[in-house]
Amino acid sequence: DTGVSQDPRHKITKRGQNVTFRCDPISEHNRLYWYRQTLGQGPEFLTYFQNEAQLEKSRLLSDRFSAERPKGSFSTLEIQRTEQGDSAMYLCASSQSAGGVETQYFGPGTRLLVL
Amino acid sequence: AQSVSQHNHHVILSEAASLELGCNYSYGGTVNLFWYVQYPGQHLQLLLKYFSGDPLVKGIKGFEAEFIKSKFSFNLRKPSVQWSDTAEYFCAVNEGAAGTYKYIFGTGTRLKVLA
Repeated sequence: DTGVSQDPRHKITKRGQNVTFRCDPISEHNRLYWYRQTLGQGPEFLTYFQNEAQLEKSRLLSDRFSAERPKGSFSTLEIQRTEQGDSAMYLCASSQSAGGVETQYFGPGTRLLVL
Repeated sequence: AQSVSQHNHHVILSEAASLELGCNYSYGGTVNLFWYVQYPGQHLQLLLKYFSGDPLVKGIKGFEAEFIKSKFSFNLRKPSVQWSDTAEYFCAVNEGAAGTYKYIFGTGTRLKVLA
């Protein structure tokens, strides 16, 4: 399967703990995105990378959240001192830039539950 | 701020009925438009997209959508639904020429098709 993969698929943690999620994009894609989806809502943009550079961050991405893409391939999203409000599905997507016109392909998501 | 509205949150149809799901956006510039589908237990998949040209776009599985610029709309249609079309449908917009590549999603429409 050459689609976007995410790990883990599910994570249960206690409030105050740190969690880290991983995303492996489609191999030739240079752009990588993180979104968050809560129940009854569509995905909301968090941040995106072009190669290893983080080019845009949403105001939803508080200082407890950090994302990296150190070698321009896989990416990690870390949440420090988790809160119950962080419970959500975290989606990763990737795309190949093509003159401003592109399609994002989504992974299966990591479902986080903070107790 | 740009937003996407999907007015139908839940739709229930019998097999062979026709489907139309509404999508309106609030951006006056160049936009790229997408419909994604999420089948139960699966990840978001691209159904169809509009970048330019013919405003009537055909996608997979018999779906089509029409871009009406004057109405800021991109409604999804299918002439005859099947039980297997039961899923959640998301409309998304990307500001085409603004240099930002994030998608803005609607809240989704949950479709249930009765056999």
